[in-house]
Amino acid sequence: GDSVTQTEGQVALSEEDFLTIHCNYSASGYPTLFWYVQYPGEGPQLLFRASRDKEKGSSRGFEATYDKGTTSFHLRKASVQESDSAVYYCALSDRGNNNAPRFGAGTKLSVKP
Amino acid sequence: EAAVTQSPRNKVAVTGGKVTLSCNQTNNHNNMYWYRQDTGHGLRLIHYSYGAGSTEKGDIPDGYKASRPSQENFSLILELATPSQTSVYFCASGEPGQDYAEQFFGPGTRLTVL
Repeated sequence: GDSVTQTEGQVALSEEDFLTIHCNYSASGYPTLFWYVQYPGEGPQLLFRASRDKEKGSSRGFEATYDKGTTSFHLRKASVQESDSAVYYCALSDRGNNNAPRFGAGTKLSVKP
Repeated sequence: EAAVTQSPRNKVAVTGGKVTLSCNQTNNHNNMYWYRQDTGHGLRLIHYSYGAGSTEKGDIPDGYKASRPSQENFSLILELATPSQTSVYFCASGEPGQDYAEQFFGPGTRLTVL
């Protein structure tokens, strides 16, 4: 079945550091890819999405590029802030799988001031 | 005005007891989903629904039932709760037929089974 792999379980950075969270996917069809962010005590919320190869999604300084060749959708931010501390989820939704989205294991980002 | 609400927000149950988690959405979405969230596993799909009267099994349906009596409401039922079902449960709604099928999540229910 469809699946998403996030390799970093936790990331600890200082303010103004560069962030990369890796996301690789496996899908039988041509999925839409998402990044969601979850703050403490809340449900996940959409950060951004991408639906086509080479499409870049972005929001709030975060960005990721859909790469069908390497089946990846890595999240990057040039300069993190303490307020970016949260859990980040990579997810995919495949029409061939009835659109029921699947999520990765999540990455907890902690940013020190 | 929150579009997806869950009740209760916290629940303590005993092993072998019956637990019902409720979800209500005002987005008028056809699709609704139940996930559980566990450290190291992320969000795992339990059941989902395409509309009133429909329920489908997700990736980890064992030990859970679902009920969709109306467009707005979607319940998750644990007939015989076990300690392994201690987790945080999230409900979500979404609109099929769109390229991206974005989901809108509720605030979660923390369930502890003793």
